[in-house]
Amino acid sequence: DTEVTQTPKHLVMGMTNKKSLKCEQHMGHRAMYWYKQKAKKPPELMFVYSYEKLSINESVPSRFSPECPNSSLLNLHLHALQPEDSALYLCASSQDGGTGAKNIQYFGAGTRLSVL
Amino acid sequence: QKEVEQNSGPLSVPEGAIASLNCTYSDRGSQSFFWYRQYSGKSPELIMFIYSNGDKEDGRFTAQLNKASQYVSLLIRDSQPSDSATYLCAVNTNAGKSTFGDGTTLTVKP
Repeated sequence: DTEVTQTPKHLVMGMTNKKSLKCEQHMGHRAMYWYKQKAKKPPELMFVYSYEKLSINESVPSRFSPECPNSSLLNLHLHALQPEDSALYLCASSQDGGTGAKNIQYFGAGTRLSVL
Repeated sequence: QKEVEQNSGPLSVPEGAIASLNCTYSDRGSQSFFWYRQYSGKSPELIMFIYSNGDKEDGRFTAQLNKASQYVSLLIRDSQPSDSATYLCAVNTNAGKSTFGDGTTLTVKP
């Protein structure tokens, strides 16, 4: 099973709403990632969790708040977003945060977010 | 200079031809290199990864790495219309972080 499950698939929210994106994997992976992808652009790294600890934060605005409750789950809490935050949000996991095959990332299908 | 650069597209090849996708990177300390394929509206999926100089073959796909030239490529032999997608080069520059190139969009025409 190489599946990373993201919910919801689509989300529409207003600028004053609070919502959360969820990601789950059962591959025993110890590194999990959040990416943001705009149309016709590559995925842009936001956060990396390694062994449930935040290891990389790519200077993401505080209106995005990640959480890793356990080794299988990753959340992204959203608050007071702007219309320019509309994008596809991808979750990925890898065996760990190492190199080589251990860094092969498996992506979920993504959450398409629209901020009105 | 971007950390990871890919040859500008779009790239169009006839069915059955060889498609050649190129990627250069700036960090000499980079250790692992990945090619992901992304169909329109879908998420990226791994095609190949390579970390030693030379060639690595998997079916119709061959990845080539030259660390001295800081260059990695992907060759697709006997291209099929189903290969039409955006190909993303990713470079593992630090443990736990992969930097993606902008991608090259490939169209294989029947």
